[in-house]
Amino acid sequence: EVQLVESGGGLVQPGGSLRLSCAASGFTFSNYAMNWVRQAPGKGLEWISYISPSSNAIFLADSVKGRFTVSRDNAKNSVYLHMSSLRVEDTAIYYCARDRLAAAGRVCLDFWGQGTLITVSS
Amino acid sequence: SYEMTQPPSVSVSPGQTATITCSGNKLGSKYTSWYQQKPGQSPVLVIYQDTKRPSGIPERFSGSNSGNTATLTISGTQAMDEADYFCQAFDSSTSFYVFGTGTKVTVL
Repeated sequence: EVQLVESGGGLVQPGGSLRLSCAASGFTFSNYAMNWVRQAPGKGLEWISYISPSSNAIFLADSVKGRFTVSRDNAKNSVYLHMSSLRVEDTAIYYCARDRLAAAGRVCLDFWGQGTLITVSS
Repeated sequence: SYEMTQPPSVSVSPGQTATITCSGNKLGSKYTSWYQQKPGQSPVLVIYQDTKRPSGIPERFSGSNSGNTATLTISGTQAMDEADYFCQAFDSSTSFYVFGTGTKVTVL
């Protein structure tokens, strides 16, 4: 069974930093690209980052570029979101999600974690 | 940046057909996926590559995509289908995933 478990959320002051982790199990982690998606309270979904299986391709949404980075450790079956210069508008549930393997290329996110809440407030 | 628009809400009677649209420039040239999200839960993939259903997704969920509009259809809608639904596409010009604005489906 595919499982993705996020951790590291909490309350942080504006301008602060935080690292989120996502532990994967139930599949060969090193074969799959991973993503982070966030959802502000009562709002829609916002994709924010992608990392390829070998970390040679990384993409970040414009809203977080220059402040967030993403990394992974295939030996630990984990992906990380490093967040800095946090703003009030970064308050959201952060989900990690697996990129579906498809001959057609990048298509969708087939499994999601339960999410971890980040609250940026003074 | 690429944008996709959905109606904020759709209401449907039990047993009837719910139709949720997703509009974007030349969306038919991209693969569209759909996610269901119930309150307090994570999104669940219900349709990918326009028309395909992941394992475990009921046959009453179907999808289509042509021109500027992708459509998610729920046939014989059940009370358990009440949820938010988001469309999603991949923007190859930026390598970003893009989500639609979301539609709340209410089963009256």
